[in-house]
Amino acid sequence: QQPVQSPQAVILREGEDAVINCSSSKALYSVHWYRQKHGEAPVFLMILLKGGEQKGHDKISASFNEKKQQSSLYLTASQLSYSGTYFCGAPNNAGNMLTFGGGTRLMVKP
Amino acid sequence: EAQVTQNPRYLITVTGKKLTVTCSQNMNHEYMSWYRQDPGLGLRQIYYSMNVEVTDKGDVPEGYKVSRKEKRNFPLILESPSPNQTSLYFCASSIGTSFTGELFFGEGSRLTVL
Repeated sequence: QQPVQSPQAVILREGEDAVINCSSSKALYSVHWYRQKHGEAPVFLMILLKGGEQKGHDKISASFNEKKQQSSLYLTASQLSYSGTYFCGAPNNAGNMLTFGGGTRLMVKP
Repeated sequence: EAQVTQNPRYLITVTGKKLTVTCSQNMNHEYMSWYRQDPGLGLRQIYYSMNVEVTDKGDVPEGYKVSRKEKRNFPLILESPSPNQTSLYFCASSIGTSFTGELFFGEGSRLTVL
């Protein structure tokens, strides 16, 4: 079963902040975040393991709450280069499949 | 340069004509996988392989076959393509098999079945 992402789409002005949420009805062992720019392959951003630690990638950070089975991706002071579709991914309990959410389309305008 | 290479990048074919999409990685990764991407549905896993000669079904395996005879190659075979297999396909690989590391994706293969 796919993780559920929200919102499905968001439009920002440069410099604004955004939050993308990812939730699962099943236990989350870790959460992966990827970004896909138009016409390109998905690219790895970060992985969050159990423990609730936050991770960062430039001005993009994320949190993981395994009790709530949720993760959030925070984009601070967004830049034009942040535009794209963001996917969260959740492995199954055997660790041999990674299931992605439906994606959140982010558009940053000047 | 570390990469996952897929071929062909674009293909238009007709219903029933067997085709193979090749995938090769040069990173000595154990894990390889195929995904298809359709609008509104995100990336859905078709098949995966934990190592040579070890393959298993993902969430949407119907109509596809795979093989893993060498560590670097993981071809996707459509024995009798149908229009509902029109999609963007991505091959991906990872160093380990427990998803503590990243997936490296190929550039994608856009397939149209008429």
